[in-house]
Amino acid sequence: GEQVEQRPPHLSVREGDSAFITCTYTDPNSYYFFWYKQEPGASLQLLMKVFSSTEINEGQGFTVLLNKKDKRLSLNLTAAHPGDSAAYFCAVISGGNYKPTFGKGTSLVVHP
Amino acid sequence: EAAVTQSPRSKVAVTGGKVTLSCHQTNNHDYMYWYRQDTGHGLRLIHYSYVADSTEKGDIPDGYKASRPSQENFSLILELASLSQTAVYFCASSGGQGAPTEVFFGKGTRLTVV
Repeated sequence: GEQVEQRPPHLSVREGDSAFITCTYTDPNSYYFFWYKQEPGASLQLLMKVFSSTEINEGQGFTVLLNKKDKRLSLNLTAAHPGDSAAYFCAVISGGNYKPTFGKGTSLVVHP
Repeated sequence: EAAVTQSPRSKVAVTGGKVTLSCHQTNNHDYMYWYRQDTGHGLRLIHYSYVADSTEKGDIPDGYKASRPSQENFSLILELASLSQTAVYFCASSGGQGAPTEVFFGKGTRLTVV
């Protein structure tokens, strides 16, 4: 089945710096990709979804890049601020069994 | 706004007892999922369902049963709760034209087995 590896597991940056998280997956039939943010004690909040083969999506303060050739999904938080401190999870939906598979998460701390 | 409601939000159960976690969605989604979250393991899929009256095993189904009596409702059942099943459980739903797309999560149930 699908395997999703997320790196790094922990990330500490200063306010204003960039924070880069990456996920690699194995199933070439994967077709839908997500990034979620989870604050302590809370549920998962969708940050961004991507679908196309090679796609860059920009949100409020972050960029998501999907490279299907390399089977790599990345999240770049530009100019991070303390409010970005949270756990971030990537998720992949594979064709065939339609099971969303999650990475193990990245715990991000943004220091003032 | 997509809505997935879990109950209870928190529960303390006795080892060997039966626990039922309930999930209700108003999204008209075909797909529903139960995940457990443990520190260091992210979210792991326990059971899922893509149609009423049918459930599928996920990646860690041992010790759990699931029930999907209707499109809106999906339950997770621990027949004999064990200490190792202490975790936060999330229900989720997903819809789309024949295949799941965005996944919406409930707020989670914190289960403590003592």
